[in-house]
Amino acid sequence: SQKIEQNSEALNIQEGKTATLTCNYTNYSPAYLQWYRQDPGRGPVFLLLIRENEKEKRKERLKVTFDTTLKQSLFHITASQPADSATYLCALDTGGFKTIFGAGTRLFVKA
Amino acid sequence: GAGVSQSPSNKVTEKGKDVELRCDPISGHTALYWYRQSLGQGLEFLIYFQGNSAPDKSGLPSDRFSAERTGGSVSTLTIQRTQQEDSAVYLCASSLIGGRVAYEQYFGPGTRLTVT
Repeated sequence: SQKIEQNSEALNIQEGKTATLTCNYTNYSPAYLQWYRQDPGRGPVFLLLIRENEKEKRKERLKVTFDTTLKQSLFHITASQPADSATYLCALDTGGFKTIFGAGTRLFVKA
Repeated sequence: GAGVSQSPSNKVTEKGKDVELRCDPISGHTALYWYRQSLGQGLEFLIYFQGNSAPDKSGLPSDRFSAERTGGSVSTLTIQRTQQEDSAVYLCASSLIGGRVAYEQYFGPGTRLTVT
């Protein structure tokens, strides 16, 4: 069955460092991958989308890579700030209309 | 403009009762999704509507769950004979179009359902 795995343990980093979050998937070939941010008590908010023919996408302090051979995406936040503390979800299309989401990784950035 | 809105924000109901959850998508968005998120878990896909096409109901966990979308806009998710395992946050999202066209989804704040 299709499966998405994200770091289940929380990631704790110091302010100013780069946070790297991992999303691994198995059993299918998505046309694109998305990253969302979710704060407690709120719905997810879209951050970045990367297509299968793109290796890397950047937006301000955010960078996403997509390796279709390894079936992995890495999400980087450079110069991290306490305000970046949240849960980050990756999401993949399934070749139809359905998108499946990972369970998310909680990030804590300490001042 | 206005984002996706959901109501109620919180709902407490007794086991066995029926509940209706409402979603107002962003105007002009043809695709609408319902997800369920249990505590500490990821989003579980429930159902998808795209324009006038038949909805994708493949994620509905049982026949107690149903959803409709009237006039291509507002959607209602109905859970009949609620069970305690139905307790979760129910999230609605809309996007310009779904599938492999790759548009981001805009989420509402969710409805927290507690079944006692």
